[in-house]
Amino acid sequence: EAQVTQNPRYLITVTGKKLTVTCSQNMNHEYMSWYRQDPGLGLRQIYYSMNVEVTDKGDVPEGYKVSRKEKRNFPLILESPSPNQTSLYFCASSPGTPGVNEQFFGPGTRLTVL
Amino acid sequence: GDSVTQMEGPVTLSEEAFLTINCTYTATGYPSLFWYVQYPGEGLQLLLKATKADDKGSNKGFEATYRKETTSFHLEKGSVQVSDSAVYFCALSDRAGGFKTIFGAGTRLFVKA
Repeated sequence: EAQVTQNPRYLITVTGKKLTVTCSQNMNHEYMSWYRQDPGLGLRQIYYSMNVEVTDKGDVPEGYKVSRKEKRNFPLILESPSPNQTSLYFCASSPGTPGVNEQFFGPGTRLTVL
Repeated sequence: GDSVTQMEGPVTLSEEAFLTINCTYTATGYPSLFWYVQYPGEGLQLLLKATKADDKGSNKGFEATYRKETTSFHLEKGSVQVSDSAVYFCALSDRAGGFKTIFGAGTRLFVKA
């Protein structure tokens, strides 16, 4: 089944404890992206990647890191999480540029930082 | 920079009522426009899209027309069902914006039986 998977689905952690949220897609998509969803703000793009070893900042990259060493994986790293990073996170992938192509979303990761 | 503005929700309708969710945008280039739907507890799914002016996207009875003159992409459905209850997001992606995708805040729709 074609899908985007994220792990973990739920995570409660404490301020300053490094964490990684994994994202993997099995559709051989070139484009991958991370978003955070907050009430009243919709989805805001954190980072995106046009292809392996190519990443770029979205609108809210502060406090996050990403890497794209393989085409299928695009992990999101929070080196020192803070409470303002409590949010619902979505990974997405697309067969090409999102200008014309549909994005396929993972099921989401709900992160709480205490 | 680019932006998307949607009507605030929630929108509550009775089954078989007509639905309109307004969406307007600002963009420096010629964006593609999308409507995504998010059902409870799930990720977003593409509902429909339009890539150039005057294009009409349609899917599952929903329609939206890309209006460049009014910079709008309003979502409509003639007769809603309870199963349409979800959050709807308008979005744009603009080559001039570096392939970023900008989403609106989302509009929650409740449909009563």
